[in-house]
Amino acid sequence: SAVISQKPSRDICQRGTSLTIQCQVDSQVTMMFWYRQQPGQSLTLIATANQGSEATYESGFVIDKFPISRPNLTFSTLTVSNMSPEDSSIYLCSVEGQAGTEAFFGQGTRLTVV
Amino acid sequence: EDQVTQSPEALRLQEGESSSLNCSYTVSGLRGLFWYRQDPGKGPEFLFTLYSAGEEKEKERLKATLTKKESFLHITAPKPEDSATYLCAVLTSGTYKYIFGTGTRLKVLA
Repeated sequence: SAVISQKPSRDICQRGTSLTIQCQVDSQVTMMFWYRQQPGQSLTLIATANQGSEATYESGFVIDKFPISRPNLTFSTLTVSNMSPEDSSIYLCSVEGQAGTEAFFGQGTRLTVV
Repeated sequence: EDQVTQSPEALRLQEGESSSLNCSYTVSGLRGLFWYRQDPGKGPEFLFTLYSAGEEKEKERLKATLTKKESFLHITAPKPEDSATYLCAVLTSGTYKYIFGTGTRLKVLA
């Protein structure tokens, strides 16, 4: 199994500002995934990040709002830009154990926008 | 459209009162079905993977089963520490994406 460190664990931010969330994995992985979990709802995939290429975004999510970096096989960042209260959510980083198997998650970043 | 539905949304049990959580799915092709436990303020913790109908997996008081249309998570003689949200997810062979259900919030009372 992979160990994923995500930070910050929580933050309270002013609207209009940006927050960058970091995700560090203890082993090299091909794909990293970013999810959003809004209160009382399930996980929604934001984008898939492959090292050396641009992230692939899901419907409803755009690069200008959620830019992602993937500089190497163990690290990724997700930025939430120009935040509004609607961006208040838990953001989760995830990787696969092996292709086609279970996904592992970081502890999440609880973001509150005021 | 690929879809995962979990029921019930919430469940309250007395300690020792066994029950089952349901995860029904409609997908174009199933690569795997996964169960997770999520505690408040934490990321999902992996529990089980099931790949084919008829498969079963057990861990302590939990047992997961799979049919062609649904999966069950059976909880035998639960304890208060089993209180959590249990999430079901499927990995589709068509889009190769994980699709999550909305979860069942389980509360076990002492």
